[in-house]
Amino acid sequence: QKEVEQDPGPLSVPEGAIVSLNCTYSNSAFQYFMWYRQYSRKGPELLMYTYSSGNKEDGRFTAQVDKSSKYISLFIRDSQPSDSATYLCAIPAGSGGYQKVTFGIGTKLQVIP
Amino acid sequence: DADVTQTPRNRITKTGKRIMLECSQTKGHDRMYWYRQDPGLGLRLIYYSFDVKDINKGEISDGYSVSRQAQAKFSLSLESAIPNQTALYFCATSDYPGTSYNEQFFGPGTRLTVL
Repeated sequence: QKEVEQDPGPLSVPEGAIVSLNCTYSNSAFQYFMWYRQYSRKGPELLMYTYSSGNKEDGRFTAQVDKSSKYISLFIRDSQPSDSATYLCAIPAGSGGYQKVTFGIGTKLQVIP
Repeated sequence: DADVTQTPRNRITKTGKRIMLECSQTKGHDRMYWYRQDPGLGLRLIYYSFDVKDINKGEISDGYSVSRQAQAKFSLSLESAIPNQTALYFCATSDYPGTSYNEQFFGPGTRLTVL
């Protein structure tokens, strides 16, 4: 079983829609959960991170973690064409001064005007 | 100016050729990484370096080598390129101890095609 699994999509939605992006993970010891956004021909950039369970909101974006089901989600409200990108979930894990970051394969999102 | 730069941005080469991808950063971070990104496989770690004297293999290091010339420079070499090394290559940095979640700062990527 992969440490992090993510549906690659693609996902196409009309402008203004609510978008839900999801990942599952295998190790219940994971504590931090991140979402990176990658625009075409660019490197990924950290969008949000959460610690442990619960929700974290930043403008139109909400990150949610359900540790009981090992499920993480990113919700985008009032989606805009500028949100069109690939979204990667990422989880750091490790010890001894080094944390390996495992990335999901990314979900490609297109928001249609 | 970009904090993490990569050269070249695009490269087409032939099987068997030696090729070097270069990465420079102005973030002052000690830790640097090389990843490759493939459709359906995502980002995979090739090599990482904690400082100039500390270089470590990642999950897919076969066929690759690296050199950390300075804190700010980390290059990736393909000694004898093969077609299945065709991919998008990213350099990244992170601060240490920095954040508990090891935020990675990525360069713009190099698109490499091996014919």
